[in-house]
Amino acid sequence: DAKTTQPPSMDCAEGRAANLPCNHSTISGNEYVYWYRQIHSQGPQYIIHGLKNNETNEMASLIITEDRKSSTLILPHATLRDTAVYYCIVRETGNQFYFGTGTSLTVIP
Amino acid sequence: DTAVSQTPKYLVTQMGNDKSIKCEQNLGHDTMYWYKQDSKKFLKIMFSYNNKELIINETVPNRFSPKSPDKAHLNLHINSLELGDSAVYFCASSHLQGSGLFFGSGTQLSVL
Repeated sequence: DAKTTQPPSMDCAEGRAANLPCNHSTISGNEYVYWYRQIHSQGPQYIIHGLKNNETNEMASLIITEDRKSSTLILPHATLRDTAVYYCIVRETGNQFYFGTGTSLTVIP
Repeated sequence: DTAVSQTPKYLVTQMGNDKSIKCEQNLGHDTMYWYKQDSKKFLKIMFSYNNKELIINETVPNRFSPKSPDKAHLNLHINSLELGDSAVYFCASSHLQGSGLFFGSGTQLSVL
């Protein structure tokens, strides 16, 4: 079962940074934090993942707190195409991906 | 080239029928999955196969029978379809020890 808690919905102005929080207070030492998003009814798309260090790629940045009990996905300059449901998942290598209810992000023009 | 492809994209059928959904991945992954997304958009894992062997079956009715002829294919056969089976079914693949989970574009099943 999903071990994460996310707000059900958020809005963000186009061009601004979107900061999506995730709580994972029961995360264990060898579990990674993953972020996926699902645009409309397409298949979920991988965004980024990390263990304890902050990570950045061409899509987003992932900030993980020092105690690893929460994280934030940052979309630096949100566009209308970033409107989607964003899922935060914790997973130990070799185990399954369990999706929670996610955060529905709406980017407003 | 589509990395994870599933067919058909849409499937409309009557209650009681038997239907199959096919999935193929060309990523060289060793693990494949079926997920179900219901009308409330909750995405739930159904099955996971690693190198053609079933490694997880998440309390799915035995009317659902996955079959993996080789590690690049994982098909889902559903017997005696019920109204509650209406959902979007997603196939996915990954390396079991790896990081990424790659999804197909989904099959929207409507049982009338």
